[in-house]
Amino acid sequence: DQQVKQNSPSLSVQEGRISILNCDYTNSMFDYFLWYKKYPAEGPTFLISISSIKDKNEDGRFTVFLNKSAKHLSLHIVPSQPGDSAVYFCAASGSGQNFVFGPGTRLSVLP
Amino acid sequence: EAGVAQSPRYKIIEKRQSVAFWCNPISGHATLYWYQQILGQGPKLLIQFQNNGVVDDSQLPKDRFSAERLKGVDSTLKIQPAKLEDSAVYLCASSYTGRGGAFFGQGTRLTVV
Repeated sequence: DQQVKQNSPSLSVQEGRISILNCDYTNSMFDYFLWYKKYPAEGPTFLISISSIKDKNEDGRFTVFLNKSAKHLSLHIVPSQPGDSAVYFCAASGSGQNFVFGPGTRLSVLP
Repeated sequence: EAGVAQSPRYKIIEKRQSVAFWCNPISGHATLYWYQQILGQGPKLLIQFQNNGVVDDSQLPKDRFSAERLKGVDSTLKIQPAKLEDSAVYLCASSYTGRGGAFFGQGTRLTVV
């Protein structure tokens, strides 16, 4: 049973435009969410987080939105740059629980 | 600040052989994780240590996998005997607290043939 889903395996976006990566979860006990970015042959790098007490968190070009009623979160990258091309993982956890990762979405930003 | 160090980077072994991976977390990080990432999937937690104690090993296949974190710093993960389905990248991560973003090492890519 996949508790964290990223239904788009890949996404291509033109440089300068917005990238929107989506993540859905099934466990209503999840209350803390992370996004990681992963380049080939490297470990995942923490990008941004959001707690369930918020519906938005922003850090530079990266914004994460959380819709608790829909059990959905999204990562917006504006403007997208070629260096943003990577695999993005969504991860979720509940209190006292470890993070469950989604399968990832490969983002390609085209120059 | 030095990152999470892992070795080796790559390992190829035959099924039924044994293998060990090593991890040195970021200095001062009490929490250490081992993840297994199979191609096309997200990382799956195998075991979490808090200092040298095990916090969560519910997804560790204990009949063949073992891990230890002596002295609450370095950690080793062992597989004995390996199966074909153990082919994956094994990631070590550490964090100062249990929540928040953990720092990952580059991983060890294991191929079992």
